[in-house]
Amino acid sequence: AQKITQTQPGMFVQEKEAVTLDCTYDTSDPSYGLFWYKQPSSGEMIFLIYQGSYDQQNATEGRYSLNFQKARKSANLVISASQLGDSAMYFCAMRANTGNQFYFGTGTSLTVIP
Amino acid sequence: DTGVSQNPRHKITKRGQNVTFRCDPISEHNRLYWYRQTLGQGPEFLTYFQNEAQLEKSRLLSDRFSAERPKGSFSTLEIQRTEQGDSAMYLCASSLSQGTGNTIYFGEGSWLTVV
Repeated sequence: AQKITQTQPGMFVQEKEAVTLDCTYDTSDPSYGLFWYKQPSSGEMIFLIYQGSYDQQNATEGRYSLNFQKARKSANLVISASQLGDSAMYFCAMRANTGNQFYFGTGTSLTVIP
Repeated sequence: DTGVSQNPRHKITKRGQNVTFRCDPISEHNRLYWYRQTLGQGPEFLTYFQNEAQLEKSRLLSDRFSAERPKGSFSTLEIQRTEQGDSAMYLCASSLSQGTGNTIYFGEGSWLTVV
């Protein structure tokens, strides 16, 4: 079975500072993908970044980077230079090669303080 | 706009009524997913299609729920005899079929309130 755990219900960060959102996962499948999504109050889930289990380097997309530690089964999202528009819910998700579902964590609510 | 499109965006219905949601996926995507999300939770998988075939259904999908994708393009999710517990946001997503790296792209969701 696949499981995603996000232990931070809410986080605050000062504008222009960096913030790390935690995500741990559990799977027995050797091949899997890890994803982060942003969900503003409007409700749409916006894809941010992807990391494959066999990727040697941590993924980066603009101000987003994924700190992938395979042995620890963690895939933390780092947002650099936070902006007010980054205030939203953030969900970590996983898709195993043997399955078709995406499994989501319970999310972290990020508030950026001016 | 070539993203995933869902309608209606909001639906308020009385308990016991039937409701139907429609999803138009990204055109080249052959996989289509339905998820349900309640307040404070992440999306929960309901079902998915590859082309017109419904290949997997969650235990969450009771017999009051039915989903179709008749021509492998748009999909509908119908809830019969709605209950207050059905109040949630229903998210549709689509993706290409192969590879763990194929991201699913979500629509804006359809909010259902059962009164």
